[in-house]
Amino acid sequence: NAGVTQTPKFQVLKTGQSMTLQCAQDMNHEYMSWYRQDPGMGLRLIHYSVGAGITDQGEVPNGYNVSRSTTEDFPLRLLSAAPSQTSVYFCASKRTGVSTDTQYFGPGTRLTVL
Amino acid sequence: DAKTTQPTSMDCAEGRAANLPCNHSTISGNEYVYWYRQIHSQGPQYIIHGLKNNETNEMASLIITEDRKSSTLILPHATLRDTAVYYCIVHRGGGYQKVTFGTGTKLQVIP
Repeated sequence: NAGVTQTPKFQVLKTGQSMTLQCAQDMNHEYMSWYRQDPGMGLRLIHYSVGAGITDQGEVPNGYNVSRSTTEDFPLRLLSAAPSQTSVYFCASKRTGVSTDTQYFGPGTRLTVL
Repeated sequence: DAKTTQPTSMDCAEGRAANLPCNHSTISGNEYVYWYRQIHSQGPQYIIHGLKNNETNEMASLIITEDRKSSTLILPHATLRDTAVYYCIVHRGGGYQKVTFGTGTKLQVIP
């Protein structure tokens, strides 16, 4: 299994540009989520999904859109990038329907907005 | 989900046990305590979890107080590779609840 994969690894955008961060998992996990991590800070939840067709907001959803059309993929869209969105973005997945559920994280996408 | 409180940073001598505390005084009866760690800028990695009994695996031990309001992660023989940020989080099982992280504890293992 490849686990959780994220592309691209690095990205530089100009203010106002849009882009999509890709996240895919091959573990048939229903739950997927996106976090951002600013320098020296903890992880903050942006959006999450408990299954295909179901998404919900996390702690810091403004400026980001998500959709979940398949179990495997959970892309994160930046509609109009701002310097405040410069961060490292992590995608994670886990099982549902079990009493204990550990998250598996991808390697991250390092985004710089100029 | 219950909030957690952790010290910002800790030091530990190499070869000694590292004891990382976590307070979760508002934990509910069906919420589990999970520990993850993040080495440098990598994605966080699961370490251990528990409900009310103490737990041990190949990486660490988890001690949960009887009232479940606090816990301690123990790395029995810390190595330089254990230098990382350690996150204590609390959430219900079942897999449908959002999972939020705090700022964690930065553990520095000193040679």
